[in-house]
Amino acid sequence: GESVGLHLPTLSVQEGDNSIINCAYSNSASDYFIWYKQESGKGPQFIIDIRSNMDKRQGQRVTVLLNKTVKHLSLQIAATQPGDSAVYFCAENIGGGTSYGKLTFGQGTILTVHP
Amino acid sequence: DAGVIQSPRHEVTEMGQEVTLRCKPISGHNSLFWYRQTMMRGLELLIYFNNNVPIDDSGMPEDRFSAKMPNASFSTLKIQPSEPRDSAVYFCASSPQGGNQPQHFGDGTRLSIL
Repeated sequence: GESVGLHLPTLSVQEGDNSIINCAYSNSASDYFIWYKQESGKGPQFIIDIRSNMDKRQGQRVTVLLNKTVKHLSLQIAATQPGDSAVYFCAENIGGGTSYGKLTFGQGTILTVHP
Repeated sequence: DAGVIQSPRHEVTEMGQEVTLRCKPISGHNSLFWYRQTMMRGLELLIYFNNNVPIDDSGMPEDRFSAKMPNASFSTLKIQPSEPRDSAVYFCASSPQGGNQPQHFGDGTRLSIL
């Protein structure tokens, strides 16, 4: 029979452009959010996190925006480079301090950066 | 600093055989998580521990799967007997005490059951 896999959203950009990757999260009680980057053959790598009492946080070339009203999270990558090509996952922590750090992951977005 | 260390990196074995995956979390981290990643299902949480105690094993697919954490620096995920549908990449992750902390992942074990 035909196998059906996950159809991940894809984003293709030119080197030097800015990238925006979006994520809709599921639970309005979630109070902590993380973005991960996963390269081929490797585990997910922590990029940046944000707590629910913030709506924006900046790192090196990356910015995370949180809109709790519409339960939306975005990752902005400035001056995207070929090395940024990877699958990007958002994750949410629903339980706060009593959850022992359990995260719920999104399906992921494939980012391809063309030289 | 050493990250999460998983072994083996690759495992190929025949169905029916017992498979044991190993994980050494980051020193000082209190929570440890086992995940499975496939093209069909994405990243699935199997089980997680806090202070060596299993907290939630609802993601473990069948009784063929078991996990242990005998001490703070070592955990195993065992499949017995293994089946071809168990083929996947298995990740271990650890995080510090308390919520609102990122998990740090190992580079996984790529398991192929023939």
